[in-house]
Formats: sequence, structure tokens, C-alpha cells
Amino acid sequence: DIQMTQSPSTLSASVGDRVTITCRASQSISSWLAWYQQKPGKAPNLLIYKASNLESGVPSRFSGSGSGTEFTLTISSLQPDDFATYYCQQCSTYPLTFGGGTKVGIK
Amino acid sequence: EVQLVESGGGLVQPGGSLRLSCAASGFTFSDHYMDWVRQAPGKGLEWVGRSRNKAESYTTKYAASVEGRFTISRDDSKKSLYLQMNSLKTEDTAVYFCARGQGGSYSSFDYWGQGTLVTVSS
Repeated sequence: DIQMTQSPSTLSASVGDRVTITCRASQSISSWLAWYQQKPGKAPNLLIYKASNLESGVPSRFSGSGSGTEFTLTISSLQPDDFATYYCQQCSTYPLTFGGGTKVGIK
Repeated sequence: EVQLVESGGGLVQPGGSLRLSCAASGFTFSDHYMDWVRQAPGKGLEWVGRSRNKAESYTTKYAASVEGRFTISRDDSKKSLYLQMNSLKTEDTAVYFCARGQGGSYSSFDYWGQGTLVTVSS
């Protein structure tokens, strides 16, 4: 199975901060990576697909980059609505696997 | 508007069975892969399994943790996806989400249901 490792697992930031979350795959997944945002008690919400494509309706402050085994999700200017948990997911190989999550909290 | 609504969750004893349903609307159901993803209380997301689309004969794939115990099926006439869960274990306790594949083999999940809670306990 492909292991997805996210870092950090938690981070504290202030409104307006630039935030970067890293996701590493245990083997190459080309660009078959997605990023999701999840708030407590809610379903995940797709932010980025195929590593760098912004899902329709998602604010442009979110961006994704990377290929192969190293990927990043960047929030250019953190907003109050962005405090949540973020997951990466590889869509390349079965079984599909998720990273352990990064919880973004208020500093 | 795309909507996915799960139902069928509840409390079941270890070794028991449960069938979850996911009612879809707002899109051509037969065109899309459909998946089940679960989340144990306070934990991360775990992929459970997939039903491919009509073009790929609705073939299925499963996580090793549920293979042989869980079965995914779908009824396109009812625009519904199902998860039959047998031989349930306490570690199957989770919120179960159905999710729509965006398109093709390398789909991410662009729409999710609200989830239904399954609790396996004696």
C-alpha cells in the first residue's frame, strides 16, 4: 500500500498568515493527489485535484503543487473560515489512501 | 444540484450485519464511480471501497480490512449505492460517507454525503 505522510500534524497560525502543508507519498503517484478540507461534524470538501487543479468554487488563496512523491498545499492568506483539518489523498493505486491529516488551529 | 444522502446506520452487535444506502440526485448516476469512505471517531479518513461506472461494468474494489465482509452494489434505476456489511467488528465503528468520483480511474471525490454513523458494540 502507498503510505501518505502529512506534516505537520497540527499547526497554529493567525489570520493573514501564509500556511504550507506537506504530503509525502511512499512511492511515486505522478500527479494523482487530492486535498480536502474537513470541519468538525461535516463531510470533507474537495479543494485541489490532480495535485494543482483548483476545484470549482474554492477560493484562489488555496493552491497545490508537486508531483511524484512530494506535494504541498498552500493557503496564501489564512482566513477565519480556513481553521479546519486538511487531508491529502492519493488517487493513483488501490487501495486509495489518505494522509493522517493536518489540523490548522488559531494561534 | 448534486446531492448524496446516506441512511441505514445504527447500533449493531459484533458479528452482525447492516446495509447502508446512499441516494444520489442531480447527476447521471451511471456515469460515475461511487465510493465509500469511513472515519472512526476522532480519527482520519479511510477508503472502504469503490463501484466503477456502467461503462466499466460496475466492477468493485475493496480495502483489505473489509474484503470478504463488505459488498458494494448499486441500482441505477433508483440512483442508489449500497454497502452491505457482514461479520461486523468493533473496529468498523465509524461514520460512513458515500462519495462521487470526479471521473475516471484516478478520480478524487468531488461530492460527499453527510455521513451515517455505524456503531458496533455489545
